[in-house]
Amino acid sequence: SQTIHQWPATLVQPVGSPLSLECTVEGTSNPNLYWYRQAAGRGLQLLFYSVGIGQISSEVPQNLSASRPQDRQFILSSKKLLLSDSGFYLCAWSVQGGAETQYFGPGTRLLVL
Amino acid sequence: AQTVTQSQPEMSVQEAETVTLSCTYDTSESDYYLFWYKQPPSRQMILVIRQEAYKQQNATENRFSVNFQKAAKSFSLKISDSQLGDAAMYFCAYRLPFADKLIFGTGTRLQVFP
Repeated sequence: SQTIHQWPATLVQPVGSPLSLECTVEGTSNPNLYWYRQAAGRGLQLLFYSVGIGQISSEVPQNLSASRPQDRQFILSSKKLLLSDSGFYLCAWSVQGGAETQYFGPGTRLLVL
Repeated sequence: AQTVTQSQPEMSVQEAETVTLSCTYDTSESDYYLFWYKQPPSRQMILVIRQEAYKQQNATENRFSVNFQKAAKSFSLKISDSQLGDAAMYFCAYRLPFADKLIFGTGTRLQVFP
């Protein structure tokens, strides 16, 4: 069966520091991968998605970036964090296709101080 | 633009009773997918149920079922025989075929009382 991992689970970072969040998927090949952010008390907002290695699409312009160095690895980064980057970051995967459900990882709670 | 609205910020139900969570959406498309996700205190999003718009039959997963009214653009979730473990935030979501983005509602917090 497929599993999705995210780390770290919790992160506290000062403003202006860099960020790297990692997501890996096991048990499947060539998945679609997604990064979502959930602000406190709100639904999820798609940040980036990837349909293959090195292929990244951005939904929301911001100071975050994403990379996919390996088939089942998806990384969310920032060179300089802002206070507004605080939130809960969720990675998701789906099988490639038109009708596929997205399955979510356990998430990373990021607090920027 | 497609939007998803959950008009009930909070709901409560007694254990073993039935509760219905509401969701409406706005779209001009005829083919799409609807989902209910559960987010417990651990905050992991867990798929509860999924409905294809081209199917007239309402989806069912054990104690969870939906009432899908395509013309009214309504997609409610019914939880039967509620259990304490059902307490969570519930999010309704919409997705077009081959689209990458799930569009989420703002969620409904469900409390279950013994």
